[in-house]
Amino acid sequence: DIQVTQSPSSLSASVGDRVTITCRASQSISNYLNWYQQKLGKAPKLLIYTASSLQSGVPSRFSGSGSGTDFTLTISSLQPEDFASYYCQQSYGTPRTFGQGTKLEIK
Amino acid sequence: QITLKESGPTLVKPTQTLTLTCTFSGFSLSTSGVGVDWIRQPPGKALEWLALIYWDDDKRYSPSLKSRLTISKDTSKNQVVLTMTNMDPVDTATYFCARSLGYSPPFDYWGQGILVTVSS
Repeated sequence: DIQVTQSPSSLSASVGDRVTITCRASQSISNYLNWYQQKLGKAPKLLIYTASSLQSGVPSRFSGSGSGTDFTLTISSLQPEDFASYYCQQSYGTPRTFGQGTKLEIK
Repeated sequence: QITLKESGPTLVKPTQTLTLTCTFSGFSLSTSGVGVDWIRQPPGKALEWLALIYWDDDKRYSPSLKSRLTISKDTSKNQVVLTMTNMDPVDTATYFCARSLGYSPPFDYWGQGILVTVSS
């Protein structure tokens, strides 16, 4: 199985801050890495697919980069609605695997 | 408009079999490249992928749960069914179904999820 390690597990930041979340795969997954946002009690929402493609309707302050084993999700200027949990997920092979999540909290 | 919705029991007893149904609209599971996945999330914990069925009836399972899972589809009803045998309290979780498109795709549409509690 491909393991996906996400860091940090939690992060405190302020509105307007730039934040970065990282994800590392246990083997090369090309660019088959996706990012999701999940708010409490809701289903995850796709933000970024194939490492750097912005899903339709997602604000441009979200961006993704990376290939091979190392990936990042960046939020350029945090907005109040961005405080949520974030997950990375590899779709290179099955079983699909998710990172352990990052909880983004207000400082 | 693409929607998915999970249905099934919200309370099951230990050792029982869980049967969940994902009913979807706005796409067809007979279209090449389409898949429907099941994912679960224990309270306060991370997402865990369970199973996938493709439009051509190819099926994939989580290795750690493979012996307990069966996924099937009814294309005419736009439904995907997941069964999980021998339920245990550790299987208490919100269960989601989601659509995927292609062989290495993201989950672009999700159901709202259904919380299943395993308790005697």
